[in-house]
Amino acid sequence: DAGVTQSPTHLIKTRGQHVTLRCSPISGHKSVSWYQQVLGQGPQFIFQYYEKEERGRGNFPDRFSARQFPNYSSELNVNALLLGDSALYLCASSRTGDSNQPQHFGDGTRLSIL
Amino acid sequence: AQKVTQAQTEISVVEKEDVTLDCVYETRDTTYYLFWYKQPPSGELVFLIRRNSFDEQNEISGRYSWNFQKSTSSFNFTITASQVVDSAVYFCALSEDNAGNMLTFGGGTRLMVKP
Repeated sequence: DAGVTQSPTHLIKTRGQHVTLRCSPISGHKSVSWYQQVLGQGPQFIFQYYEKEERGRGNFPDRFSARQFPNYSSELNVNALLLGDSALYLCASSRTGDSNQPQHFGDGTRLSIL
Repeated sequence: AQKVTQAQTEISVVEKEDVTLDCVYETRDTTYYLFWYKQPPSGELVFLIRRNSFDEQNEISGRYSWNFQKSTSSFNFTITASQVVDSAVYFCALSEDNAGNMLTFGGGTRLMVKP
């Protein structure tokens, strides 16, 4: 089975633009989470979605939004990009909201803001 | 609020040395789960271990071992006889649920193993 897949792998944007990042969970996984990892730091939790509903939100501004589709894939949207949004964005999926199986991470999307 | 601290930002050892990565956590929850992840240069986070707050037994898996001490809120990770392939950034993390959703990560420790 394929792991968690994220697209694109790399992206370059300029300040003020909008970006959409995509994540496909492992088959059978219904929970998707998003994390932001700034260079040299640990990942920070942004959102968790389960069965198309938001289950958790980290301390990020309203410029960040996400959604989950009926096939459990997910999009992370960031508006009005700032230089500080440059980071590796990681997606993780798990079987259910509190499954006994730990979540699996994708390889991430590296976003650079010029 | 939850917090995870990894005081060692970078450690350098020579191959075959033993190395311990420290992790201290803070939480008000009585039930919680602790994790260690490895992040090689390619970027993906590789799950290594999960521990719940009621299980203080130490665990050994090959060259890896983990020491969980609730009294000191620590969950330290030891690599025995380190190898060059162990070079990576290691993250300790904390969650309220056993799947590790909504993880709180530490800042990471970069381990460099030299031949």
